[in-house]
Amino acid sequence: DVKVTQSSRYLVKRTGEKVFLECVQDMDHENMFWYRQDPGLGLRLIYFSYDVKMKEKGDIPEGYSVSREKKERFSLILESASTNQTSMYLCASSLSGTGAEQYFGPGTRLTVT
Amino acid sequence: KNEVEQSPQNLTAQEGEFITINCSYSVGISALHWLQQHPGGGIVSLFMLSSGKKKHGRLIATINIQEKHSSLHITASHPRDSAVYICAVRLLDSGYALNFGKGTSLLVTP
Repeated sequence: DVKVTQSSRYLVKRTGEKVFLECVQDMDHENMFWYRQDPGLGLRLIYFSYDVKMKEKGDIPEGYSVSREKKERFSLILESASTNQTSMYLCASSLSGTGAEQYFGPGTRLTVT
Repeated sequence: KNEVEQSPQNLTAQEGEFITINCSYSVGISALHWLQQHPGGGIVSLFMLSSGKKKHGRLIATINIQEKHSSLHITASHPRDSAVYICAVRLLDSGYALNFGKGTSLLVTP
């Protein structure tokens, strides 16, 4: 079974803090994704990575950066957290190829106060 | 812009009812996914379709490429089917990324 894990299920941070969200997958997948999910808006892609050290911006990259130093790990970084980044963050991974199924992690509910 | 529209947005059914959730999209796609999200957040992939029909247990997914439409059916619904069902498409020119519908929230009552 593919397993995608995220470092925290719930996280509370203060405005201005630097926040790291970690995602690890155990199936040697090439592609990894970070999404945020908000009521009424659905899932929106923040960044994705198709290989180690490779990344591409998604639909809403502003205020976020990512790091992929190892194939199994994809980190999302909020350089200076703001209240409008309060959201559910979901990581996913897939094999390479446009037809590959994405496997999702359990999500991190981040609250920025 | 949202290339993916789902209906209905919310659905309440009684246990045992046949349920249909619809997904329409406006551009060319290479694949369509149906996902299930239970309270608490985790998302599970139910189906990935590029043509025709797939069945898994009480779940059936169909896609009509010409009409740009897909349906997810649940037969003999059960309270444990209560979840948010999300349609997502991979656009022809988008590479790896998926475009998601806003989801259909299903509640099945005993």
